[in-house]
Amino acid sequence: DVKVTQSSRYLVKRTGEKVFLECVQDMDHENMFWYRQDPGLGLRLIYFSYDVKMKEKGDIPEGYSVSREKKERFSLILESASTNQTSMYLCASRLSRDVNYGYTFGSGTRLTVV
Amino acid sequence: RKEVEQDPGPFNVPEGATVAFNCTYSNSASQSFFWYRQDCRKEPKLLMSVYSSGNEDGRFTAQLNRASQYISLLIRDSKLSDSATYLCVVNGVNGGSQGNLIFGKGTKLSVKP
Repeated sequence: DVKVTQSSRYLVKRTGEKVFLECVQDMDHENMFWYRQDPGLGLRLIYFSYDVKMKEKGDIPEGYSVSREKKERFSLILESASTNQTSMYLCASRLSRDVNYGYTFGSGTRLTVV
Repeated sequence: RKEVEQDPGPFNVPEGATVAFNCTYSNSASQSFFWYRQDCRKEPKLLMSVYSSGNEDGRFTAQLNRASQYISLLIRDSKLSDSATYLCVVNGVNGGSQGNLIFGKGTKLSVKP
């Protein structure tokens, strides 16, 4: 089974801090995704990457950036954390852009910004 | 019209009941369909893909109606462990979402003893 590992399960940061959320997958998947999930709003796509060094904005990229220097690792960066970025962050990967493949999710990082 | 719409529920059913969820999608060009399950405070996990001819996995049956653009999930003989939120998922076909999966907000199921 593909394993998608997110570095932290729970994180508490202060307003204005730069925050790094790390995600690593171990099955050579090409595509990786970052979502946030909030009650009543469902999963919202922040950024995605179809391959190394590639990145694309999702639906809500403001206040975030990403880095994909290696195929297995996709990092989400909160440039200056704000309280409205308190959320559950989920990383996902997929083998390729073939639409028949589903996503595998990491276990999530619950971030609280105080 | 939202890309993927689901009744949020909750559906409260007794053990052993049969329960069905529907989901509608907006773009007739969508080609792949899935149901994901998400337990409270956990990540979504793939439950099953949905094929044109319909498919079954144990107590779970998924159906696709392309003409009406809806997908259904039927759960027979509900177990307490089926309690979760069920997410309807469709591949995006427009602009930046092309090729990516679009997730519904989910239908919450609670199975009671």
